[in-house]
Amino acid sequence: DAGITQSPRHKVTETGTPVTLRCHQTENHRYMYWYRQDPGHGLRLIHYSYGVKDTDKGEVSDGYSVSRSKTEDFLLTLESATSSQTSVYFCAISERERSGANVLTFGAGSRLTVL
Amino acid sequence: SQELEQSPQSLIVQEGKNLTINCTSSKTLYGLYWYKQKYGEGLIFLMMLQKGGEEKSHEKITAKLDEKKQQSSLHITASQPSHAGIYLCGADLPYNTDKLIFGTGTRLQVFP
Repeated sequence: DAGITQSPRHKVTETGTPVTLRCHQTENHRYMYWYRQDPGHGLRLIHYSYGVKDTDKGEVSDGYSVSRSKTEDFLLTLESATSSQTSVYFCAISERERSGANVLTFGAGSRLTVL
Repeated sequence: SQELEQSPQSLIVQEGKNLTINCTSSKTLYGLYWYKQKYGEGLIFLMMLQKGGEEKSHEKITAKLDEKKQQSSLHITASQPSHAGIYLCGADLPYNTDKLIFGTGTRLQVFP
């Protein structure tokens, strides 16, 4: 068990409301990622972090923001949720700073439904 | 931008049959990763390939990266119900190895 947890695991919200998903790791890894998974699209990178307060955009970052104030926590925020953001969100950590390979360990996912 | 295409999108096989899943890149691959996802769960790392012509095996699963490093295949021998799930290939972006992109996935079902 790589020690990565996501919360909440399930959430139903209404259009226009803010939503924050949390990813917590106990492995002290530098790199953390947020992906969304949708049918027909596979996994798409939203944002990632390469250290405390160091973040960058991925393929589908519009409508999302992230924060990393501590090594162990990476937060994904939807400022004003829309129905197109209904998805399963996965957080991942990378062991690249230790092994050189970008092998990811994933959390169990957070299923978000925006009504 | 680099894209990863997987084929087939869906596969239904009888237990005991062999099968192959392909992952094709529009650009040279610098690191190719295979993951498996059981339904409703997170992804589990299977194998990583980096060199042209490289081949790795784990139990009944073999992954290969072609010499040109633009296509990878995942071969399962004598499939079992435990092999069912979604298989995704992932790749490092050549201009930014911080990022890992993924293909669209292949859904595998194995029936008795």
